[in-house]
Amino acid sequence: NAGVMQNPRHLVRRRGQEARLRCSPMKGHSHVYWYRQLPEEGLKFMVYLQKENIIDESGMPKERFSAEFPKEGPSILRIQQVVRGDSAAYFCASSPPWRGNLAKNIQYFGAGTRLSVL
Amino acid sequence: DAKTTQPPSMDCAEGRAANLPCNHSTISGNEYVYWYRQIHSQGPQYIIHGLKNNETNEMASLIITEDRKSSTLILPHATLRDTAVYYCIVRVNDYKLSFGAGTTVTVRA
Repeated sequence: NAGVMQNPRHLVRRRGQEARLRCSPMKGHSHVYWYRQLPEEGLKFMVYLQKENIIDESGMPKERFSAEFPKEGPSILRIQQVVRGDSAAYFCASSPPWRGNLAKNIQYFGAGTRLSVL
Repeated sequence: DAKTTQPPSMDCAEGRAANLPCNHSTISGNEYVYWYRQIHSQGPQYIIHGLKNNETNEMASLIITEDRKSSTLILPHATLRDTAVYYCIVRVNDYKLSFGAGTTVTVRA
């Protein structure tokens, strides 16, 4: 059973370009979460999606960032007009459908995409 | 979620047990204790979680004190590949994981 797959592993963009990060959840998982890790910091929650729905995007910057999880295909985190401050590692996690207490719902992480903005 | 306090770093000898402490003195009755680790340049890896009782799996053991104000993650026979940042997280009925600074564990040969 393949784990959470993220691609690309490394992405280099110039200021003003767009970055698209992809995440394929584990088989059977219908919930996807995106986290960002700035250099020398811990992971911060960005957004939580289910198929075709954004459930919570409270951690997303208000501008330039968007996320989707279409019915078919991977989840996409899109960053428009990137700036140097967007340079970070972006991690995707997935979990199975909830059953009861959310605190028992384990999130499994991918290897991340490291975005470098020149 | 309750806040956690972990030592910033610790060393461990290869082949010995590594005991990683975590304080969560404000934990509430329905909050779970989770442990993840992050090996350099990789994504966080789930290790173990528990509510009240001690837990063991193929990776580690989790010992939670009776008052639940602290816990210890035990890696029974540390290897060089266990060198990582270890995060102790407490979760209530929420999907957001809150990662602090964690403990940087260095396993030495």
